[in-house]
Amino acid sequence: SAVISQKPSRDICQRGTSLTIQCQVDSQVTMMFWYRQQPGQSLTLIATANQGSEATYESGFVIDKFPISRPNLTFSTLTVSNMSPEDSSIYLCSVVTAEGISTIYFGEGSWLTVV
Amino acid sequence: AQKVTQAQTEISVVEKEDVTLDCVYETRDTTYYLFWYKQPPSGELVFLIRRNSFDEQNEISGRYSWNFQKSTSSFNFTITASQVVDSAVYFCALREMGSGAGSYQLTFGKGTKLSVIP
Repeated sequence: SAVISQKPSRDICQRGTSLTIQCQVDSQVTMMFWYRQQPGQSLTLIATANQGSEATYESGFVIDKFPISRPNLTFSTLTVSNMSPEDSSIYLCSVVTAEGISTIYFGEGSWLTVV
Repeated sequence: AQKVTQAQTEISVVEKEDVTLDCVYETRDTTYYLFWYKQPPSGELVFLIRRNSFDEQNEISGRYSWNFQKSTSSFNFTITASQVVDSAVYFCALREMGSGAGSYQLTFGKGTKLSVIP
């Protein structure tokens, strides 16, 4: 398995501001993803974080709102831009490791509340 | 299109009771993986089990057991002798084996909130 650390774990943000969430993995991973979980809801894939190139976004998510970086094989960031209360969610980083290529692991999640 | 249904939104049991969480899935792929994850109140998603579509053997891990039946497209999860620490939201998820990054995408059910009462 992989140890996946996310920062911040929780934050309260003002409407209109932007926040960057970091995801750090303790080993090199083949794939990294970002999911969103709105309150009381299931998880929805935002995008695949591609190393050295632009992220691949799912329908309903755009780069201007959720810019993503992945500078190397162990680190990625997700920025939630121009936040509104509807962005209040848990944002989770997930990875596929080379060893556990069939299993998808998740980070601890970053719980954002927009006021 | 793929779909995962967890019909039970919330379940409450008294400690030491057995409880089964249902999961029904839909897919056109012949090759796929099914997962169960546990999400305690702290929010992290904890991996519990992975099962591929070619392995219908049931699995037991301590108090946890899983019953995979392709004939009914179900992958149910049973906790025996439940404990308060089992209280969490449990998600069933499906991963279809396509090509490229899409094959790693998980389709989640809506989750079942389990409350174990002391």
